[in-house]
Amino acid sequence: QLVLTQSPSASASLGASVKLTCTLNSGHSTYAIAWHQQQPDKGPRYLMLLNSDGSHNKGDGIPDRFSGSSSGAERYLTIFSLQSEDEADYYCQTWGTGIPVFGGGTRLTVL
Amino acid sequence: QVQLQESGPGLVKPSETLSLTCTVSGGSISGSYWSWIRQPPGKGLEWIGHIYYTGSTNYNPSLKSRVTMSLDMSKNQFSLRLSSVTAADTAVYYCAKNVFADYWGQGTLVTVSS
Repeated sequence: QLVLTQSPSASASLGASVKLTCTLNSGHSTYAIAWHQQQPDKGPRYLMLLNSDGSHNKGDGIPDRFSGSSSGAERYLTIFSLQSEDEADYYCQTWGTGIPVFGGGTRLTVL
Repeated sequence: QVQLQESGPGLVKPSETLSLTCTVSGGSISGSYWSWIRQPPGKGLEWIGHIYYTGSTNYNPSLKSRVTMSLDMSKNQFSLRLSSVTAADTAVYYCAKNVFADYWGQGTLVTVSS
């Protein structure tokens, strides 16, 4: 069964960078994932599709400040030059032969 | 650019059936998967299920006995029905494109209450 693990919270200063982690459970380390952003009181927004080799395809209008990378079973979302509007919940998501699953989300606070 | 818009009642009584429709614009529903996802207040995202343009479906096992998805190619719409609802089904319901949700609707809050 597919399981994605995310830290519940993260914080970083305005203008700094932050790296969020999403971990695939054993046996699923080659799976691609998607990253989604959910700003307060808004619906989710697709950020990118991230493959196991680190290649990624970003959604429409996603700034260059958002980047994805991979290492083993870990998938990363790095946000450079943090802005106040980056304060949001970030969800990773993956899919296999069954139902897609979401991680629990990471709440990012911009200090 | 593809846009999705959910529509349906915002209030459903317990034991009744929740019905939502998602209208797709800026592209055809042909050739893609179409998904329903929900988010209870203050909680994370839960995948309800998805339907391929051919009509093939895949539902979350935890909801499978109560969920039906369908699509209407002529109207470029797809729909969700969730039967025997309880307060636990109160959530914002989103429709999305593909199993990796590269396009989302804005969401619609459905409250289950008498």
